[in-house]
Formats: sequence, C-alpha cells, structure tokens
Amino acid sequence: GDSVTQMEGPVTLSEEAFLTINCTYTATGYPSLFWYVQYPGEGLQLLLKATKADDKGSNKGFEATYRKETTSFHLEKGSVQVSDSAVYFCALLNSGGSNYKLTFGKGTLLTVNP
Amino acid sequence: NAGVTQTPKFQVLKTGQSMTLQCAQDMNHNSMYWYRQDPGMGLRLIYYSASEGTTDKGEVPNGYNVSRLNKREFSLRLESAAPSQTSVYFCASSARGVAETQETQYFGPGTRLLVL
Repeated sequence: GDSVTQMEGPVTLSEEAFLTINCTYTATGYPSLFWYVQYPGEGLQLLLKATKADDKGSNKGFEATYRKETTSFHLEKGSVQVSDSAVYFCALLNSGGSNYKLTFGKGTLLTVNP
Repeated sequence: NAGVTQTPKFQVLKTGQSMTLQCAQDMNHNSMYWYRQDPGMGLRLIYYSASEGTTDKGEVPNGYNVSRLNKREFSLRLESAAPSQTSVYFCASSARGVAETQETQYFGPGTRLLVL
C-alpha cells in the first residue's frame, strides 16, 4: 500500500537558518504530493502541493519539488522565522481505485529559536 | 465563510460512555473525512464519505460509526468509549471535482477527547 516516510524530529533551528525536512514515498501510479502545516492548537493547513513529476510547489518561502526518480518531496526554506514553528506533515493522494485518501507521514516538529 | 467546524473542542468521557462528534462544512464540498491524530503516528483515516449518502471505512474504523447527515454534516460516533480512543479527532472536507488527485483537503480545528 501507499506510505510516506519523513524525517523524525524534533528539529530545532535558529532564526534565519536553512531548513530541510526530508520526505520519501511509496505508491503505485502517479500520486499528488502535499505538505501540510499544523500550528500549535490548530488544525492542518495546506502549505504547498505538486501534482506531477518535476513540479515545484511553493508558498510562504517554502518549496518542494516532486522527484519521481527518487520518490521524494523534500521541504526547504532558505531562512526560517520563529513563526514557522509548527508540525509539518508530508502526504500523498492516490487515485487508485475509487479511494481518494490522503496518506500522511508521522509529522516533523520544527522549533525556531530567536 | 467558516470553513470546517467541529464540536465540541474538548471532551472527557468515562470508559463505556458514548458520544457523537459533530462536523460541518460550508464550502459545498462533496467529500468529508474523519481522522485521528496520535503522537508519533501522524493522522490516520477512520471513515470517509465520498459523497452524500455514502460512507466507507478507512484505516482504523473499529469502535466508530459515522453518519453523513446531509451534504454539510458528517458525524462520528463512539458507542462505547475506550481509553485507546483518547486522541485528537480532525474532520476534513474536499470538493472532489474532476481532478480529484489535485484535491486539497480542508481541516477543522479538532476535538480533543480523553477517555478515562
């Protein structure tokens, strides 16, 4: 079945540091890939997505490129801020059969210190 | 436009008690979902409703039932709560239009459930 593996946290960075959170996936067919973010005490929000190979999703300074050859969708940001502290989830959506269900990674907690 | 709303925000139950978690969306979405979030486990799908009038089991359906009351509302019921059901529950919805694999799911704020 489909699965998503993302780097385990927690990740602690200083403000303005470079961020990478690794995500790899296993899926049949051609899934879409997503990064969701969960701020403390809130539900999940879509951060960015990519729907086909070599697509780059971007939002709020975050980027991720859909790499089919390495089955990866790593999240990057050049300069993190304290306000980026949150839990980040990588997810895939596969249209196999009639089930359009998101499969999530376990989440990575990011803490950014001033 | 409230998006996805959930009630209650927090609930404490004793083992064996029952309760219903409510979810509503005002985005005219076809599909709705219930997830549970546990530490170190990510989110796991409990049940989903691809369209009004249909429901299907997800990854962890045991101990739960759902009702798609109408297009807006999708409730999750615990008939006899157990401590293993202590979790944070999220409802989500998506439009499920032509390009389903590009669908964004929109999440509610969650319900924190503690079963003693």
